Amino acid sequence: GDSVTQMEGPVTLSEEAFLTINCTYTATGYPSLFWYVQYPGEGLQLLLKATKADDKGSNKGFEATYRKETTSFHLEKGSVQVSDSAVYFCALSDPRLYSGGGADGLTFGKGTHLIIQP
Amino acid sequence: DVKVTQSSRYLVKRTGEKVFLECVQDMDHENMFWYRQDPGLGLRLIYFSYDVKMKEKGDIPEGYSVSREKKERFSLILESASTNQTSMYLCASSLSGDSNQPQHFGDGTRLSIL
Repeated sequence: GDSVTQMEGPVTLSEEAFLTINCTYTATGYPSLFWYVQYPGEGLQLLLKATKADDKGSNKGFEATYRKETTSFHLEKGSVQVSDSAVYFCALSDPRLYSGGGADGLTFGKGTHLIIQP
Repeated sequence: DVKVTQSSRYLVKRTGEKVFLECVQDMDHENMFWYRQDPGLGLRLIYFSYDVKMKEKGDIPEGYSVSREKKERFSLILESASTNQTSMYLCASSLSGDSNQPQHFGDGTRLSIL
């Protein structure tokens, strides 16, 4: 079945450091890929997405590129801030998974807890 | 902005009780989902619905049922609550169509079963 693997952390960085959170996936179809962020006490928010190979999703200084050849979607940011402290989830949506039902359930990684210190 | 509202942020119930978790979305989305979130396990799909009165099992449906009588409302039901159902429950909704559509999440209900 489909799966998403990401580093779990916690990942602790100093402010203005460079961030990479690795994400790799396996899927039976040609999935869309997402990064979600969860701030303390809140639900998940979409951070960025990519729907086909070599697409780059970007938002709030974060970027991730859909690499089909390495089945990866690593999240990067050039200079992190304390306000970026959160849990980050990589996820995929496989169009073949629920082809009869019309809805697409997401498969999530376990989440990476990011802590940015001043 | 899409608003997904879960009726309770915190809930405490007893073993054996029937528990209802309610979720409402205001964007006329066809699809609605229930996940549970546990440390070290990430989010796991319990049930989803792609239309009124339609429901599909997700990865971990055992011990749960759902109801979708109106398009905007999706209820998760714990038929007889057990301590291993203590968790954070997240509701989400999305537009129908292809797999590009992102899901929009509520703030979650932290449920404790004593």
